Parts: sequence; structure tokens; C-alpha cells
Amino acid sequence: LAKTTQPISMDSYEGQEVNITCSHNNIATNDYITWYQQFPSQGPRFIIQGYKTKVTNEVASLFIPADRKSSTLSLPRVSLSDTAVYYCLVASTGTASKLTFGTGTRLQVTL
Amino acid sequence: NAGVTQTPKFQVLKTGQSMTLQCAQDMNHEYMSWYRQDPGMGLRLIHYSVGAGITDQGEVPNGYNVSRSTTEDFPLRLLSAAPSQTSVYFCASSSGQGDSWEQYFGPGTRLTVT
Repeated sequence: LAKTTQPISMDSYEGQEVNITCSHNNIATNDYITWYQQFPSQGPRFIIQGYKTKVTNEVASLFIPADRKSSTLSLPRVSLSDTAVYYCLVASTGTASKLTFGTGTRLQVTL
Repeated sequence: NAGVTQTPKFQVLKTGQSMTLQCAQDMNHEYMSWYRQDPGMGLRLIHYSVGAGITDQGEVPNGYNVSRSTTEDFPLRLLSAAPSQTSVYFCASSSGQGDSWEQYFGPGTRLTVT
């Protein structure tokens, strides 16, 4: 599985758009990019997944350039409740049960 | 749907004791996994299962055993607890169907080994 690199931490003010970029230079043809969110003392929660271009759901958008060597999770108008750790993962078919979590990006949202 | 449930929520063990962490899911998911999370770190995979009767080792399997006799349950057994196993343990399940990597996580078990 491709190794991912993402910033250790980010700070934002409430109401701003936050973009968290993840690098995955060794991504394989069949790999998907997926993002999870984790609040303190809770298990991670799935946010979004994508293969290429742009994916949007009610929570976030995921931008993936043509070479797929990076991806950007975009959180529109963050609030204090978006303070959490965000994990970028690369997964391929058959690996749904054995995802590899790095240390993630700790997002701190303040007023 | 209760989703993924874990018991107990908290546990303190003495070195050398054994115990079983329970995990159950009511979503009829084939895939189940156990992770541990040490303070300030990401999750590390201990063991996983792709269906009843099938288990395999993850990244950090030493000191742990698993079995999967039913689709619903995936218990994790600590054979002889060590202080290095002090951690938060998360169980997760997923359907494993198609191209979905959405795992559903339980609330975790916080284990302290003294």
C-alpha cells in the first residue's frame, strides 16, 4: 500500500475553508484515496473516498489531480466542532479490513 | 442498529493476566478488524478477518489472539498482559463489498496494564 504524508497540524478560524493536502507518490492504479476523522476518545469516522477528479458529499470535498500523487480534503466553513484529527489513507480492493492509519493531521479550529 | 459495540469500556489488568475484549456488530458485515491506538499516534492493525472462520495478522499481532466463529462477533484475547499493551483498542467492521472502504468503528476499550 502506498505511504501517505500529510501535515502534522493545522490551525483555522471558524467559518474559514480548510484544505488538508496528502501526498501519496506511490499510489497504484487500483488504489483509492479515503479520509477519516477522529475526535478525542472516539473511533475514526469515514468522511469521503475518491479515485480521481472531484468528489463531494454533505461533509467535505475531495480533490484528486490527474496524476493522483496527492489529494486535498476540503472542509467548507469549519466550525469549532470540526476540531479533530484527519487521516488520509490509500486502499486497494480487498484491503477494506486492514487500512493503514498514519499519524494524521490535527486540525484546531478557534473563534 | 447498534452498529459496532465493544465491552468493556475500561479495564485495568496486572502484568501476566489474560482477558478477552469483546466486539460485536449487527450490520452483517463480513470484514472485521482490531486496532490499537497509543497516545498521540495513529491506529495500528492487530488482526483482521474477512469472514467467519478466517482471520489473519496485521501489523502488530504479537501477544494477541483472535477467532471468528460467527459473522457478528470478533473477540480479541490478550494472552499475558504486558505494560506495553496499555492502549485504546478499537474494533471496526465493513461490508467489504465493491469499492467501499468505509469502516465502522466501535467506541473503544481503554486498557491499562500495571
